Amino acid sequence: DVKVTQSSRYLVKRTGEKVFLECVQDMDHENMFWYRQDPGLGLRLIYFSYDVKMKEKGDIPEGYSVSREKKERFSLILESASTNQTSMYLCASRPGSSYNEQFFGPGTRLTVL
Amino acid sequence: GENVEQHPSTLSVQEGDSAVIKCTYSDSASNYFPWYKQELGKRPQLIIDIRSNVGEKKDQRIAVTLNKTAKHFSLHITETQPEDSAVYFCAASSGGSNYKLTFGKGTLLTVNP
Repeated sequence: DVKVTQSSRYLVKRTGEKVFLECVQDMDHENMFWYRQDPGLGLRLIYFSYDVKMKEKGDIPEGYSVSREKKERFSLILESASTNQTSMYLCASRPGSSYNEQFFGPGTRLTVL
Repeated sequence: GENVEQHPSTLSVQEGDSAVIKCTYSDSASNYFPWYKQELGKRPQLIIDIRSNVGEKKDQRIAVTLNKTAKHFSLHITETQPEDSAVYFCAASSGGSNYKLTFGKGTLLTVNP
């Protein structure tokens, strides 16, 4: 059973703080993704990684960075959190093939005050 | 890049009725089209998918159809039940980056008892 876990379900931070969101998958998937989910806007891709130390910008990378030092772990970093980054953040992983299922983590509800 | 449009944004049906959700995509090279269901407070989970070389796929009460010429695909749910109430997302895997899914904005389906 594939497991994608995220470090926190709920997180409250202050404006200007550096925030780390961690994601771990246990199925040796090559690809990992970070999305944010906001009402009416669906799932928007922030960054993704197709291999260790490799990353590509998604549709909304501004204000975020990522790190993938190990295959199983993909971190999302908010260098200086702002109130407009209050959102639900979903991590996902997927095997490196066209037709494979993508698995999501449970999500982190981040509130920036 | 790929763009996926999803309609309607909300859909309300009576228990036992059918529900149809439609998506269009822009990249003719896209070859994989999954549908995800997200229940309230839970992570999105794959419910059905279709490859570009198939026109229709069925799994019990749910089916997906694909029209490659028109670049649209649809989710059909028959004999709806209250537990079908959820947000449904369509997605397309663009041919140039097959590991990346582009999602529609979602459809909130409510099944009234």
